[in-house]
Amino acid sequence: DIVMTQSPLSLPVTPGEPASISCKSSQSLLHSNGYDYLDWYLQKPGQSPQLLIYLGSNRASGVPDRFSGSGSGTDFTLKISRVEAEDVGIYYCMEALQSFTFGPGTKVDIK
Amino acid sequence: QVQLQESGPGLVKPAETLSLTCTVSGGSIRRYSWNWIRQSPGKGLEWIGNIDSGGSTDSNPSLKSRLIISLDTSKNQFSLNLRSVTAADTAVYFCARGDAVLCAMDVWGQGTTVIVSS
Repeated sequence: DIVMTQSPLSLPVTPGEPASISCKSSQSLLHSNGYDYLDWYLQKPGQSPQLLIYLGSNRASGVPDRFSGSGSGTDFTLKISRVEAEDVGIYYCMEALQSFTFGPGTKVDIK
Repeated sequence: QVQLQESGPGLVKPAETLSLTCTVSGGSIRRYSWNWIRQSPGKGLEWIGNIDSGGSTDSNPSLKSRLIISLDTSKNQFSLNLRSVTAADTAVYFCARGDAVLCAMDVWGQGTTVIVSS
């Protein structure tokens, strides 16, 4: 089974400042087709998760360009170039290669 | 745009079967895969299983022995049946659309809370 870890688990942020979340998998998520099967989701307070990034680095439809995903293999990063108040919530990475395992989540809130 | 809505009992007795339905509106169920995910305080987000438009299913090995997922294309619905529930099955249950091109779940329902208690 693939185990997903994230750090930090809590991230206080200042609006206008950048933020970064790390996600690591216990096995490589690089498929033979060359894509990394890693997605990022944001669950805003009181809402269901929403897709932010798919296949490691592709922004989903309607996602602002301040969000970016990078990494390959077992190490991935989600970056927010300038945090806005509406970005608060819990961020999850998820492997889509084997059994759709989610990371524990990173709670982002405003300082 | 496509919307998903979960429905079903909010309270289930231990040892009984949890049954939920997800209704897909604004689009056809005849493409994509259709997923169930749950969220409990103790375990975070947990993928339960899915079914594709051809009726093939896949499931979390930890739940496979108790799980049935089915598809009703005439009603644009898919369903979850989880038998022999315990308090550990108490959670918010989400349905979500899986896109094979994105390799991601791109549309989610709002979720429904299920409590297992006598």
